Amino acid sequence: EVQLVESGGGLVQPGRSLRLSCAASGFTFDDYAMHWVRQAPGKGLEWVSGISWNSGSIGYADSVKGRFTISRDNAKNSLYLQMNSLRAEDTALYYCAKESGWNDAFDIWGQGTMVTVSS
Amino acid sequence: EIVLTQSPDFQSVTPKEKVTITCRASQSIGSSLHWYQQKPDQSPKLLIKYASQSFSGVPSRFSGSGSGTDFTLTINSLEAEDAATYYCHQSSSLPHTFGQGTKLEIK
Repeated sequence: EVQLVESGGGLVQPGRSLRLSCAASGFTFDDYAMHWVRQAPGKGLEWVSGISWNSGSIGYADSVKGRFTISRDNAKNSLYLQMNSLRAEDTALYYCAKESGWNDAFDIWGQGTMVTVSS
Repeated sequence: EIVLTQSPDFQSVTPKEKVTITCRASQSIGSSLHWYQQKPDQSPKLLIKYASQSFSGVPSRFSGSGSGTDFTLTINSLEAEDAATYYCHQSSSLPHTFGQGTKLEIK
């Protein structure tokens, strides 16, 4: 079964850091680009960051550029998001998503991990 | 950044009705436009990729059309289970962007 399972969310104070992980199974992980998409409570979807299969191409939303770092470990079938200098507006459910190709649709999504930034 | 604007934001519809949701891009994106369905407390699910290609397992009542800047998601003969929020998404250029969503309520 194709599956993405996120972990690492939680309650964190403003200015602190958090690292999210996404464990992939059921497909050849290193064949596909991967992304993080977030959804603030009661709001719409916001693309956060994406990484190509070999980490050669990486992109970030302006809202997180310079604070968040995406990475992957193909040997461990895992995707990561290092989040530094967290702000209240980063509070959201963070989804890991598999891209169907490159510059393609997101065909598989995880269940999400909740990040709450509050003092 | 490419801005995607969906209309309407909300629609209340009756079963068996035909529904049309539009997505307009702030600049041409070819056919790099995809549609997702998100039900409450669930992850988004891919419905249509590249404007008109149905994703595996998606009911045939869902279809998409358009290119350039104007796109449409059509749901023929709406069913109660189609109550959800629908999002468009462009992958033409970074950063990827999503529309603001269209919430469908079934009367």
